[in-house]
Amino acid sequence: EAQVTQNPRYLITVTGKKLTVTCSQNMNHEYMSWYRQDPGLGLRQIYYSMNVEVTDKGDVPEGYKVSRKEKRNFPLILESPSPNQTSLYFCASSPTRGGGYGYTFGSGTRLTVV
Amino acid sequence: AQTVTQSQPEMSVQEAETVTLSCTYDTSESDYYLFWYKQPPSRQMILVIRQEAYKQQNATENRFSVNFQKAAKSFSLKISDSQLGDAAMYFCAYRSKEARYAGGTSYGKLTFGQGTILTVHP
Repeated sequence: EAQVTQNPRYLITVTGKKLTVTCSQNMNHEYMSWYRQDPGLGLRQIYYSMNVEVTDKGDVPEGYKVSRKEKRNFPLILESPSPNQTSLYFCASSPTRGGGYGYTFGSGTRLTVV
Repeated sequence: AQTVTQSQPEMSVQEAETVTLSCTYDTSESDYYLFWYKQPPSRQMILVIRQEAYKQQNATENRFSVNFQKAAKSFSLKISDSQLGDAAMYFCAYRSKEARYAGGTSYGKLTFGQGTILTVHP
């Protein structure tokens, strides 16, 4: 089954404790992206990757890191999480670098930072 | 930068009736794509319908159709014969039809509206 697998589904952590949210896709998509969803703000892009070793900032990159060492994986790293990073996070992928393809989304990670 | 606005935080409809969700956007581009996504309580993001800006014909997918008004930069979603399973958050989204990768914050990005929560009453 073609899908984007995102883990964990729920995560509660404490301020300052480094964490990684994993994302993997099995569709050989070049483009991958991370979003956060907050009430009243919709989904906002954090980082994206056009292909292996090519990443760039989205609209809200502060406090996040990413890497793309393999085409299928695109982990999101919070090196020192803070309470304002409490949010619902989505990983997504797309078969081409743009255009008419929408995204295939992961199932989301609900992160709470206390 | 493109922006997408959904001015209806919440909408409700009776089962079997029709409801329209509004979306407006702002762009200086002439060629782009517009999408509606559904997010049920499971949180999964599900593509409902897609519209290509250069196509004048409104997209239709079963009970879902759009009213695309390019000059007015409006992209509303009509749900006919509403069902209980249509209850969800709906997001309108915009994506550029870019050519080559040149970096920057807009490359490949889906720009989302704020979302509209749809309640379906039995």
